[in-house]
Amino acid sequence: GAVVSQHPSRVICKSGTSVKIECRSLDFQATTMFWYRQFPKQSLMLMATSNEGSKATYEQGVEKDKFLINHASLTLSTLTVTSAHPEDSSFYICSAVRGTVTEAFFGQGTRLTVV
Amino acid sequence: KNEVEQSPQNLTAQEGEFITINCSYSVGISALHWLQQHPGGGIVSLFMLSSGKKKHGRLIATINIQEKHSSLHITASHPRDSAVYICAVVDQGAQKLVFGQGTRLTINP
Repeated sequence: GAVVSQHPSRVICKSGTSVKIECRSLDFQATTMFWYRQFPKQSLMLMATSNEGSKATYEQGVEKDKFLINHASLTLSTLTVTSAHPEDSSFYICSAVRGTVTEAFFGQGTRLTVV
Repeated sequence: KNEVEQSPQNLTAQEGEFITINCSYSVGISALHWLQQHPGGGIVSLFMLSSGKKKHGRLIATINIQEKHSSLHITASHPRDSAVYICAVVDQGAQKLVFGQGTRLTINP
């Protein structure tokens, strides 16, 4: 089956610093990757759609300068939370698409805590 | 009204019981996913359906495209099945996943 690796699984950082989260498709090429955020006891909220070689498309209300997304290759997308604040503490999950959105595979998620 | 509605939101049952979780949606879809999320947060994809029925071990998923409804069944439930189960549809028009709010399942020994 298709495998998506997300790293790190947990990270604690200080306010004002930046954190990079990686999402890799290990055994397939993903032209599209999605980044989601999940607040406690809520469902996944789409933050942005990342397409290889082009700028990411952000959902309404998501600050593109704060959440930098880079999809430099067909197997890697990164999400960088810049100048992190405690309110950015959340669970971030990526999803990589093989072919069409019908075949979407999920990373393990990253729990970010900003202190 | 959400485009994807799950019921129940919370379900507690005894070990061995037959479990059913329902998902109704209002958009045109090309496929539907059932996902499992354990307390640690990682998401596991259980099924991807576009029609009919799929079975994997004690898990069964069905979909009725005409009625815009899907069900996830767990037979002989076990405490390790305790997790949040999420229904996600592939919106045919937007080409995005739309998620239900999840069903929190607790199986007591």
